[in-house]
Amino acid sequence: GESVGLHLPTLSVQEGDNSIINCAYSNSASDYFIWYKQESGKGPQFIIDIRSNMDKRQGQRVTVLLNKTVKHLSLQIAATQPGDSAVYFCAPRPGTASKLTFGTGTRLQVTL
Amino acid sequence: NAGVMQNPRHLVRRRGQEARLRCSPMKGHSHVYWYRQLPEEGLKFMVYLQKENIIDESGMPKERFSAEFPKEGPSILRIQQVVRGDSAAYFCASSIDGTGANVLTFGAGSRLTVL
Repeated sequence: GESVGLHLPTLSVQEGDNSIINCAYSNSASDYFIWYKQESGKGPQFIIDIRSNMDKRQGQRVTVLLNKTVKHLSLQIAATQPGDSAVYFCAPRPGTASKLTFGTGTRLQVTL
Repeated sequence: NAGVMQNPRHLVRRRGQEARLRCSPMKGHSHVYWYRQLPEEGLKFMVYLQKENIIDESGMPKERFSAEFPKEGPSILRIQQVVRGDSAAYFCASSIDGTGANVLTFGAGSRLTVL
């Protein structure tokens, strides 16, 4: 099955700096990737997604980069704000799969 | 649009009792997924259902756990004879369809505590 790992379990960033959260996946059949943000006591919220025919996608203050060669993706958050403090999960999905697989997540702590 | 609604938000049960968790998907969504999350861990897939059908239950424990999504009403995750190890947050998500490329929208979760 899919295994998903994250390089940094906890990331501490100063307010205003940029954050980079990394994610490695193992299933080369994964062709769709979603990043979720989970605040304390809440359910995961969609942030941004990317399909395997792209290597970069930008949203509002967030950018996802995908490197299929090394099975790695990253989430970049520009000008990190206190409201960005949460656990971030990447979730790859093979095109025909019915379920998302989540890694342990990276906790982002924004310091003032 | 009220989003995915889960209830109860918090549930306390004693060992051996039954727990029933309910999930109403977003309006227009006919696909429901249940995930379990232990403290400081990721979400583990349990089951995927459409109306009246279980599509994928590969993450469901073989005993004591069952799920349904009837034609009318919410999806139910049922845990019989709960044990302390069942204490977790249970999240429901829904999607418009199950083509594999649709975003799942999650509810706020139901937190089960087994005493």
